[in-house]
Amino acid sequence: EDQVTQSPEALRLQEGESSSLNCSYTVSGLRGLFWYRQDPGKGPEFLFTLYSAGEEKEKERLKATLTKKESFLHITAPKPEDSATYLCPRARNSGGSNYKLTFGKGTLLTVNP
Amino acid sequence: EAGVAQSPRYKIIEKRQSVAFWCNPISGHATLYWYQQILGQGPKLLIQFQNNGVVDDSQLPKDRFSAERLKGVDSTLKIQPAKLEDSAVYLCASSSSRAYGYTFGSGTRLTVV
Repeated sequence: EDQVTQSPEALRLQEGESSSLNCSYTVSGLRGLFWYRQDPGKGPEFLFTLYSAGEEKEKERLKATLTKKESFLHITAPKPEDSATYLCPRARNSGGSNYKLTFGKGTLLTVNP
Repeated sequence: EAGVAQSPRYKIIEKRQSVAFWCNPISGHATLYWYQQILGQGPKLLIQFQNNGVVDDSQLPKDRFSAERLKGVDSTLKIQPAKLEDSAVYLCASSSSRAYGYTFGSGTRLTVV
């Protein structure tokens, strides 16, 4: 079964306390691993796409890495505005050149001031 | 660049009633997706369009859900009749290429009572 598992389900940090979120996937044939953040009452917002093991991407305090079986989102010196649910869907082909994203439950990150 | 527009923002209906949601994707995005997000869960793909053709509707409950994308631009998602378990946020997304992921709208929050 095509699964994306994120851990932890919830994470509470103090401002400035660095940490990492984990995303593991169980089905081969990865066609891209994405990271999104979702604020309450809003749709998910695109952060990164990773395609191959060893790839890394950064944006402000966030750094995403990818291995053969999992991806990590490292958050360095987080601020309260980084509080959100972080989702890491994987891409699979859905016919021709099309792809679809399969989401897990996400990690709810809360950063306290 | 204008984002993905969805309406209405909120909808409350009684079970067995019908409801329709509207989505206007980003101009030029050929691929359009409808996702269902139940509280506390990640988004679940309902249907994917490429222009005005259906690419994947394997998880669409076809006995009660229908969707169309006339002229390959706007799309509507309909539920008839609604059940209590259809209470969720319905997200529309569009995409131009895998590298940039999807762009999601803010969603329609449906409550079935």
